[in-house]
Amino acid sequence: AQSVTQPDIHITVSEGASLELRCNYSYGATPYLFWYVQSPGQGLQLLLKYFSGDTLVQGIKGFEAEFKRSQSSFNLRKPSVHWSDAAEYFCAVGLSGGYNKLIFGAGTRLAVHP
Amino acid sequence: SQTIHQWPATLVQPVGSPLSLECTVEGTSNPNLYWYRQAAGRGLQLLFYSVGIGQISSEVPQNLSASRPQDRQFILSSKKLLLSDSGFYLCAWSWASGSKTQYFGPGTRLLVL
Repeated sequence: AQSVTQPDIHITVSEGASLELRCNYSYGATPYLFWYVQSPGQGLQLLLKYFSGDTLVQGIKGFEAEFKRSQSSFNLRKPSVHWSDAAEYFCAVGLSGGYNKLIFGAGTRLAVHP
Repeated sequence: SQTIHQWPATLVQPVGSPLSLECTVEGTSNPNLYWYRQAAGRGLQLLFYSVGIGQISSEVPQNLSASRPQDRQFILSSKKLLLSDSGFYLCAWSWASGSKTQYFGPGTRLLVL
C-alpha cells in the first residue's frame, strides 16, 4: 500500500541554522511529490512539487527539496531558517491515475528559537 | 487566478445538532473537490472527493456526508454531530486532469460540545 513517512514529529532549530525535514514514501510507480506548510489555524500552502526532470526542485520562501529515487526520499531543506518558518510541514505523494489522490505524511512541527 | 473560500471559519455546535460547511472555488471550471479532516495533532484524513456535480465518493465511513450542488460548490453535512466530529476541516481543489496539485482553503474549525 502507498504510504508517506515523516520520521520527525517535532524539530527545533535556531534562527539562521540550516534545516532538513525528512520524507520517505512507499509507492510502486513514479511518484508525484509535494511539500506543504501549515501555519497554526490556517490552511495548507504549497511549498514545492516534483513531477519529473531535475531532481532538485526549488520552491517558495527559499525552500528546496531533492528527490532520490534510490532512497524513496524527498527531503525538504532550507539553508537559513527564519522565525517565520515555524509551522507544520507535510509531505505528500500523488498517485497516478484516478482523481488526483494525495497521500499525506503525519507532518513535522518546526519550532524556531531566536 | 483561482481562489477557494470556506465558511464559517469557526463553529461551535452541541452534540446532536446538524452541520453544514461550505466551500466554493472561483476562477476555474469543473475542478476536482476534496474534504479533509485534521484532528488535533494529527495528519490529514481525506473524507470525500468529487469529480463533478452530484458525483461524490467517500473515503471513510462516518457520520458525515457531502454534496456538490453546483460546479464550484462543495458542502459537508451531518444530521447529528458527535463529539468525535470535532476538528479542522479543509476543502481543496485540483484541476480535473494533468497536474495532481491540490490547493487548500483556509479551513473551518469545528468544536462539538
